[in-house]
Amino acid sequence: TQLLEQSPQFLSIQEGENLTVYCNSSSVFSSLQWYRQEPGEGPVLLVTVVTGGEVKKLKRLTFQFGDARKDSSLHITAAQPGDTGLYLCAGAPAGNMLTFGGGTRLMVKP
Amino acid sequence: GAGVSQSPSNKVTEKGKDVELRCDPISGHTALYWYRQSLGQGLEFLIYFQGNSAPDKSGLPSDRFSAERTGGSVSTLTIQRTQQEDSAVYLCASSRSTANTEAFFGQGTRLTVV
Repeated sequence: TQLLEQSPQFLSIQEGENLTVYCNSSSVFSSLQWYRQEPGEGPVLLVTVVTGGEVKKLKRLTFQFGDARKDSSLHITAAQPGDTGLYLCAGAPAGNMLTFGGGTRLMVKP
Repeated sequence: GAGVSQSPSNKVTEKGKDVELRCDPISGHTALYWYRQSLGQGLEFLIYFQGNSAPDKSGLPSDRFSAERTGGSVSTLTIQRTQQEDSAVYLCASSRSTANTEAFFGQGTRLTVV
């Protein structure tokens, strides 16, 4: 069992659709991060959420941190083919090393 | 440099040979991670260095794998007697500290064992 569970593992949608990716844990995190990895590249940090209940927006991407700081979600509005990639959540519980979820592989078809 | 640098970017080696992969983290970053990623998969944690503390080697898949970090900066990941199942992309990341864990990744080394 992973410390951070992501769902779904795979998602294939049409351009213009909305989607939500979830990142859940039984542990409390001081912050959670979301990364996106495109083919042939290393993951790139998208956002860090720090405060329970926090909502951050990055263009069409909306990130939310759960009130209890145990979970987070990523919502994409009107997905574009350029959103295709592997989405990873990550956190460092209690000052320990950074741990990644298993990832959600998103494909957006034109 | 401005980012995390890994070399080589690609490595093809014969089964049974040893390989060394190099990672230059961002200057001043005390934490350094190695991950392995097979095609279409997520990140598999290998090893974690934090400052002068003993590294967390709990992710190393076998005793053929080892890593060191000299002077708190450059790290090398060594795979001895490579096997075909070692073929993957090896990613290195660094972060400023345990207080600031935002990770910056290199482009990875694609290892192919033939």
